[in-house]
Amino acid sequence: QSALTQPASVSGSPGQSITISCTGTSSDVGGYNYVSWYQQHPGKAPKLMIYEVSNRPSGVSNRFSGSKSDNTASLTISGLQAEDEADYYCSSYTSSSTPWVFGGGTKLTVL
Amino acid sequence: EVQLVESGGGLVQPGGSLRLSCAASGFTFSSYWMSWVRQAPGKGLEWVANIKEDGNEKYYVDSVKGRFTISRDNAKNSLFLQMNSLRVEDTAVYYCARDYDSSWNDWGQGTLVTVSS
Repeated sequence: QSALTQPASVSGSPGQSITISCTGTSSDVGGYNYVSWYQQHPGKAPKLMIYEVSNRPSGVSNRFSGSKSDNTASLTISGLQAEDEADYYCSSYTSSSTPWVFGGGTKLTVL
Repeated sequence: EVQLVESGGGLVQPGGSLRLSCAASGFTFSSYWMSWVRQAPGKGLEWVANIKEDGNEKYYVDSVKGRFTISRDNAKNSLFLQMNSLRVEDTAVYYCARDYDSSWNDWGQGTLVTVSS
């Protein structure tokens, strides 16, 4: 069982907006602003989409945004496009014996 | 352009050992923490270990403590993962990644480790 909880799947139509949640505890998501999000297409390496809760790396579309409230972080993708179909993972720093944890991943389907 | 190229994966029997390497280029390797992240077939990502710029601090996921050792050679721009007492559940693609702003901005293509008899 992953330390961070994500929905197994979400879906949306082109042009719509979707939100993926990432729920942890006060020892990880809620305690630090070190939440990041990754996009992974089949057979490819992960790609950083959001770091430190809400920052976008250079080159990442502004359709991707991140936020956090209490122990839950969220990734929102607006104006869905076919190429957004992928797996998405959240990650957080944690005060536990293992300093970094991932969520179980969410499969995004663009209908 | 940042490049991370892993090597050393393969098939090994349970209880065996393997040493993974990651060749880095396109950035000042000695200025960054580096990590190993793995992904079992059909499963999610799991952070495995990381190492400070000078190699003096290392951290591991609980499941590999005492079995895996992360190291680096800054003169050769290389990162390593020595894996001993391998278990079937260690089967995964292992990615080398550059730590930056509490995240991993650059990843290698991965190397597959299969532990099976």
